[in-house]
Amino acid sequence: SQQGEEDPQALSIQEGENATMNCSYKTSINNLQWYRQNSGRGLVHLILIRSNEREKHSGRLRVTLDTSKKSSSLLITASRAADTASYFCATDAPGGSYIPTFGRGTSLIVHP
Amino acid sequence: DADVTQTPRNRITKTGKRIMLECSQTKGHDRMYWYRQDPGLGLRLIYYSFDVKDINKGEISDGYSVSRQAQAKFSLSLESAIPNQTALYFCATSDYREGGYTFGSGTRLTVV
Repeated sequence: SQQGEEDPQALSIQEGENATMNCSYKTSINNLQWYRQNSGRGLVHLILIRSNEREKHSGRLRVTLDTSKKSSSLLITASRAADTASYFCATDAPGGSYIPTFGRGTSLIVHP
Repeated sequence: DADVTQTPRNRITKTGKRIMLECSQTKGHDRMYWYRQDPGLGLRLIYYSFDVKDINKGEISDGYSVSRQAQAKFSLSLESAIPNQTALYFCATSDYREGGYTFGSGTRLTVV
């Protein structure tokens, strides 16, 4: 079974709006990562948040982590058409083996 | 040059054929991985290697084998390809101290 699951599966917004996607996981983690995948391309690492962190920013990206709820959210502010992609969360596997497992992704479409 | 290079980018092969997908990296990372991506199923781990002498099965290793020829090279073989192995295959690397993965651009494999 997969550790991280993204929600919603699909999101469609207009350029300039904010996009929020969520990730839930089931067991304790060491860190949680977010990735972007443009159609048919490799995944690009966006941001990593450690279990002892609650919020992290990178440019227009804001990631929060709530370990009590076993969830994370990725906020993209002032979305652009170029943000159209699939977004995945990955959590490291329990037991310290450091093997992230991936959810199924949120497909984001930003309309110009 | 890309940090993680996968060859070939696209491949069409016939059922029963042996095929090898290659991956090389310039990141200097010890850890390398092979993932498979199918529509709607996210990424699933096939094999991973923490160093040259270490090979481990992932979630879906049946029908696949790997070889870690050097720190920088990790190849995936399909001994006898079957149509349900049609998928997008990704190689990735990581440094456990840093967290996060670096992905190759993928190999799109079609088995007919």
